[in-house]
Amino acid sequence: GAGVSQSPSNKVTEKGKDVELRCDPISGHTALYWYRQSLGQGLEFLIYFQGNSAPDKSGLPSDRFSAERTGGSVSTLTIQRTQQEDSAVYLCALPGRAGETQYFGPGTRLLVL
Amino acid sequence: AQSVTQLGSHVSVSEGALVLLRCNYSSSVPPYLFWYVQYPNQGLQLLLKYTTGATLVKGINGFEAEFKKSETSFHLTKPSAHMSDAAEYFCAVRGISGGSNYKLTFGKGTLLTVNP
Repeated sequence: GAGVSQSPSNKVTEKGKDVELRCDPISGHTALYWYRQSLGQGLEFLIYFQGNSAPDKSGLPSDRFSAERTGGSVSTLTIQRTQQEDSAVYLCALPGRAGETQYFGPGTRLLVL
Repeated sequence: AQSVTQLGSHVSVSEGALVLLRCNYSSSVPPYLFWYVQYPNQGLQLLLKYTTGATLVKGINGFEAEFKKSETSFHLTKPSAHMSDAAEYFCAVRGISGGSNYKLTFGKGTLLTVNP
């Protein structure tokens, strides 16, 4: 596996609420990615963390989305004022040893009612 | 910038038949190419990858893919389909240099159905 856990595995929320999704990698990974998989948009990149460098936020779909990675380990993706179109599976990924490949965690399935 | 086109959102084959899933890519930089598989209600699993070297790459479960630069293609094949191959398959591309080129760009996916 990818050596990463994600929580919660499933989340149901009401439109307008804030949600926080967590990615907990095994230690030693300086890089970490977030993607989401939705029926309408397929698999799309959200954000990339690399060490202490400024994250690449180019994939975040709106300013309601934010992410942080504190201490180079756990990362949280926060969605404020959730909308129904935010319903998707949110995936965390880590690079392989050579850095060429990305291995995905099990994901958090978010449903916004 | 990169993009991936997977021809055929749904492919249906008989058990024992050849599997061919098509992937074409566009990339402004030399690409790394990947196929991922997603079994029903499961996560994304790496099937195979092309980075450098031999253009015919072999993956798990008897799958292979060939990188053809002149055709900008990376089609996935398997000589004989098994029922257990039924899944959704995603082709992905990324650049080989650093920074934001590390992000994967995925195709829309191809759902493979295997009929008995």
